[in-house]
Amino acid sequence: DQQVKQNSPSLSVQEGRISILNCDYTNSMFDYFLWYKKYPAEGPTFLISISSIKDKNEDGRFTVFLNKSAKHLSLHIVPSQPGDSAVYFCAATRSNFGNEKLTFGTGTRLTIIP
Amino acid sequence: NAGVTQTPKFRILKIGQSMTLQCAQDMNHNYMYWYRQDPGMGLKLIYYSVGAGITDKGEVPNGYNVSRSTTEDFPLRLELAAPSQTSVYFCASSYSPLAGIYNEQFFGPGTRLTVL
Repeated sequence: DQQVKQNSPSLSVQEGRISILNCDYTNSMFDYFLWYKKYPAEGPTFLISISSIKDKNEDGRFTVFLNKSAKHLSLHIVPSQPGDSAVYFCAATRSNFGNEKLTFGTGTRLTIIP
Repeated sequence: NAGVTQTPKFRILKIGQSMTLQCAQDMNHNYMYWYRQDPGMGLKLIYYSVGAGITDKGEVPNGYNVSRSTTEDFPLRLELAAPSQTSVYFCASSYSPLAGIYNEQFFGPGTRLTVL
């Protein structure tokens, strides 16, 4: 049972445009959400997170939006740059579980076209 | 500050062989984790440790063992390798979580294991 779903395996975006990566979850107990970015032959690196008490969190070019009623979150990257080409994983947890209960999505491969 | 290091980077095993995947961190993190990532799938937690001498099972622990004798090291042992264990293995570490506050996990570069 995939509790965190990223339904788009890949996405191509022109450089300078907005990239929107989507993630859906089914477990209503999740209250903390994260995005990780992964380059080939490297481990994932933390990008941005959001708590369920917020509906938006922004960090530079990256913004995460959370729609709790739809159990949906999205990552916006604007403007997109060639260095943003990577696989992006959405993850979710219950904050009172601590760090050890992350549930990851299957990832979306983002390609930025120069 | 090397962060999280993993050895080896690649390994091919025959069915039934055993091996230990090494993981070390120099950030003085209490929490350490082992994940596996199968092709087209997300990361799944195998085992984790909240401190030296304390380990617990994750989502997919069968076929693996761990130990945590020091804060720095968290080796993962495969006793009887099977083709189903072909995967990329990631080690990660983090500070202890505070109530309601998530602390990001720092990942190593991974070990690509093939069992033939």
